[in-house]
Amino acid sequence: KQEVTQIPAALSVPEGENLVLNCSFTDSAIYNLQWFRQDPGKGLTSLLLIQSSQREQTSGRLNASLDKSSGRSTLYIAASQPGDSATYLCAVTKAGTALIFGKGTTLSVSS
Amino acid sequence: EPEVTQTPSHQVTQMGQEVILRCVPISNHLYFYWYRQILGQKVEFLVSFYNNEISEKSEIFDDQFSVERPDGSNFTLKIRSTKLEDSAMYFCARGRGTDTQYFGPGTRLTVL
Repeated sequence: KQEVTQIPAALSVPEGENLVLNCSFTDSAIYNLQWFRQDPGKGLTSLLLIQSSQREQTSGRLNASLDKSSGRSTLYIAASQPGDSATYLCAVTKAGTALIFGKGTTLSVSS
Repeated sequence: EPEVTQTPSHQVTQMGQEVILRCVPISNHLYFYWYRQILGQKVEFLVSFYNNEISEKSEIFDDQFSVERPDGSNFTLKIRSTKLEDSAMYFCARGRGTDTQYFGPGTRLTVL
């Protein structure tokens, strides 16, 4: 059974700092991996999608990497801002259907 | 413009009552999903719906749950006899199976 783990559970950084969020999964036979952002009491906003054949994806200040063989992904946030404060969720799919989520990393960026 | 809209935003019901949660995908996608998130816990997959049929469901999606696309646009999740433990945020999502899944804002269900 696929399990997704995210470390750390919570992270507090000062504005401007670069940071890395980690995601690991137990079954490397994934189809793709998706990073989401969730604000308190809100829905999920897709940030980046990495297909299993890809190594990384970039969008603005965000860069996500994928090492399928070791079951790991990282989300790198450059020059963090207070508006980046949210919970970041990692999710994987097998055969492109149901997403299996981690519990998330709650990020707080102070000004 | 949201990718998916959901109604209601908040539903309060008594234990044992039936509830219907609605989802309206803005664009024309083939795959639709329901997920739930109990407060403080992971987002959990419930069911996927493809070409007007259930394509995959989790062990959570038991006989008290059902899904429909009654008029070709709305996508509904029905819970027949709600229990206290059904209290959660319910998210609808749309996608093309292998691509990004786009989530709605969710319906907060409170069962008293």
